[in-house]
Amino acid sequence: DAGITQSPRHKVTETGTPVTLRCHQTENHRYMYWYRQDPGHGLRLIHYSYGVKDTDKGEVSDGYSVSRSKTEDFLLTLESATSSQTSVYFCAISERTSRAPFAFFGQGTRLTVV
Amino acid sequence: AQTVTQSQPEMSVQEAETVTLSCTYDTSENNYYLFWYKQPPSRQMILVIRQEAYKQQNATENRFSVNFQKAAKSFSLKISDSQLGDTAMYFCAFMWVQGAQKLVFGQGTRLTINP
Repeated sequence: DAGITQSPRHKVTETGTPVTLRCHQTENHRYMYWYRQDPGHGLRLIHYSYGVKDTDKGEVSDGYSVSRSKTEDFLLTLESATSSQTSVYFCAISERTSRAPFAFFGQGTRLTVV
Repeated sequence: AQTVTQSQPEMSVQEAETVTLSCTYDTSENNYYLFWYKQPPSRQMILVIRQEAYKQQNATENRFSVNFQKAAKSFSLKISDSQLGDTAMYFCAFMWVQGAQKLVFGQGTRLTINP
């Protein structure tokens, strides 16, 4: 699992409340990502980070913000959750080796906004 | 922008049969990787196989192999001697090796292996 831990694994929250999902890695990888998975869409990139305090938007970033104050932690925040943000959220890490790049994923967080 | 298309939302085969999952992609880049990921009911994303665009030889991993047709922008996955444990969602994904190594995924194919 490349030392990636997501928390929480499941969460139910009410519309309009803030929510923060945490991704923690233990292997000092440079690149970290947040994806959301929805039926018929596969996984889509929300935000990514290429170093401490270096982040950028992905394909579906509206309504989300991220922070990376330490190499090992990448936080995803929904400032005011909406029902359209009900989804499964995956954190991933990536690194480029001399042979080939690779990407590994956390276990996923199922978020339900009611 | 890169796009990845999986045109088979669902497939079903009998155990021990061979099955091929289709994937096409669109890019103007030359240096990239293609991946197949498996997602069983546990929700974990598992890397099945990886192909570098510059390599003409198709990648293989035990019962899993790919048919990479660069000119046609096609990247199909063949599973031989299918097993019940192969039942899962399968995602095709594209990664441009420059920049931040972001993955672009297809919509997924739900594969069921029947006993």
